[in-house]
Order: sequence, then C-alpha cells, then structure tokens
Amino acid sequence: KAGVTQTPRYLIKTRGQQVTLSCSPISGHRSVSWYQQTPGQGLQFLFEYFSETQRNKGNFPGRFSGRQFSNSRSEMNVSTLELGDSALYLCASSTKGLAGPNTGELFFGEGSRLTVL
Amino acid sequence: AQSVTQLDSQVPVFEEAPVELRCNYSSSVSVYLFWYVQYPNQGLQLLLKYLSGSTLVKGINGFEAEFNKSQTSFHLRKPSVHISDTAEYFCAVSISSNTGKLIFGQGTTLQVKP
Repeated sequence: KAGVTQTPRYLIKTRGQQVTLSCSPISGHRSVSWYQQTPGQGLQFLFEYFSETQRNKGNFPGRFSGRQFSNSRSEMNVSTLELGDSALYLCASSTKGLAGPNTGELFFGEGSRLTVL
Repeated sequence: AQSVTQLDSQVPVFEEAPVELRCNYSSSVSVYLFWYVQYPNQGLQLLLKYLSGSTLVKGINGFEAEFNKSQTSFHLRKPSVHISDTAEYFCAVSISSNTGKLIFGQGTTLQVKP
C-alpha cells in the first residue's frame, strides 16, 4: 500500500509569489492534515480536511488556505509569500471515519520543503 | 489549551547505553499521547501511542513509554540504543483519537555515538 505522497519535494519561490502544494493520502484515508515545520517554531498544525470539509484550523493567517477533493487528495496554498514561510510542509492522513477502531495515528508524508528568497 | 514540553533539546548517548527522552504535557482535559520519530529528510513515523489502558506502552524498534497522569509525563525509554536510532523525536498530544490536530513538543535530537 503506497504511503502519503507529497509534491513537489523541494521548491524555491521569491517573496510575494504564491505556492500550491499537493498531498495524496494513503488509499482509503479520508482525513488529511497539514503541518508547518520550522527550526524556530517546531511543528505547527495548519488545518485538517475530512470529506472535502475543513474540520479544524490552526492559528495561521488567511494567506494559508487549503482544500480537499472528492478523491481525498488535498492541496494547500500560500499566497503573498514571506521569508518566514520557508519551512517543511508536512501532510498526514488518518483512518478517521473508516470502519474499525480509530487509533489516532497520523501517517506522514516526506514533506515539501519550501524556500522563500 | 494543551501544551507539550520536551525537557531536553539534545541527548547524546553512547551505543548500547540506555536512554530516556522526557516529555511533560499540560491539559485541563484527558489527552491521548504519542511519540513520533523523524529521520533526516523524512516525514514523521509513529513510535508508540497511549490512548487508554495500561500505562506502560511498547512501540516499535524496542522503545517504550510510561504514562504518568499525576506527573503529567510520558517519557520515552530504550534499554540499549543503536547508531540507527539517531534521529529527532517528538512527543505529541491530542484531546481526541479522532482528530488530525496534534500539539507537538519542540523535539529532542538523539545522538548515538559509537
């Protein structure tokens, strides 16, 4: 069974540009969460999508947005990029909503490393 | 609100020695607890979790952790580490097993020396 796939793995943007990151969850998983990882702030929750609806949102400005498609694939978008947006963006899926006990485990992708110049 | 404190940012240890990575949490409600490991240039992998039941939890790669409600701690232990255990370790909490929102600690870098 393929794991969580994130694309692109690496990208470089300049200030003011926008970026879209993609995440394909494990087949059958319907919940997708996004996290930002930086050396200074650590791992911070961005948002969670389940069945195409945002279920939870972290404390990030409106420049950060996301969506989920009917096949559970998710994208996140960051507009008007700032230097501080340079980070590793991690996507995770879970068995939330599926039959059987929910263990609460998140399955992470390898991340998309964004550098803003 | 919940918070997690990992008391050591770096833990150097020699190969085959025991190790303990410390994690304390703060919450006004019951929580679920997790330890994740991150190898260089990779995502996070679940080591173990505490949802309920026995307070001693065994995970993958020989790791175990003990939930202590009175001390609000969830320390990670391994009796004998290997070079391959060198990685960053994250403690995390959630208020539900049915959420994708975890609150992570700042991480502890385990450096295993030969």
